[in-house]
Amino acid sequence: QQQVKQSPQSLIVQKGGISIINCAYENTAFDYFPWYQQFPGKGPALLIAIRPDVSEKKEGRFTISFNKSAKQFSLHIMDSQPGDSATYFCAASMTSNTGKLIFGQGTTLQVKP
Amino acid sequence: DAMVIQNPRYQVTQFGKPVTLSCSQTLNHNVMYWYQQKSSQAPKLLFHYYDKDFNNEADTPDNFQSRRPNTSFCFLDIRSPGLGDAAMYLCATGQARGSTQYFGPGTRLTVL
Repeated sequence: QQQVKQSPQSLIVQKGGISIINCAYENTAFDYFPWYQQFPGKGPALLIAIRPDVSEKKEGRFTISFNKSAKQFSLHIMDSQPGDSATYFCAASMTSNTGKLIFGQGTTLQVKP
Repeated sequence: DAMVIQNPRYQVTQFGKPVTLSCSQTLNHNVMYWYQQKSSQAPKLLFHYYDKDFNNEADTPDNFQSRRPNTSFCFLDIRSPGLGDAAMYLCATGQARGSTQYFGPGTRLTVL
């Protein structure tokens, strides 16, 4: 019940295309859902995050869509660029608890020029 | 710039030789976390400090210990590294439990 399932494991997109990564969770007590971007040899960097009281959040080319009833959330990267090539992790946590992040398995995105 | 700093960035140790990894932060955050990340895997939480309160994950081996002498610094001690402990070790901070976590650049540990 603590798991977050992320798909796809890898994704190849052409420059200018839309990248979509999906995550699903089971524990309805989760109330914070961040996405992290990680480049090889670097630490994860927070990209965008959402709480379940909103269905969508947009920051620049990055959008989170959140479906509370389906217990799913997704990251959309519009106008994907080669510089977006990285590993993306979704995560979930219960802010009322220890705040422990439960990470998805990660998606390796390659944007081809 | 406020940030999370990890030293060293690369550490090579011998099988069974104790090693200490360091994390410091200028964010003045209350919570400091240590994660282990193996190749092509998600980060795995080892433990965290909320102020001086230490919280160990149930599946963290006893071989891993941590110290937080003050708000700014936190150390990860691996008492007897095995080959399976080779990984990237990530430090993260948060203002409070459940708030956004900010990660450092990581320390890549190699065990020979």
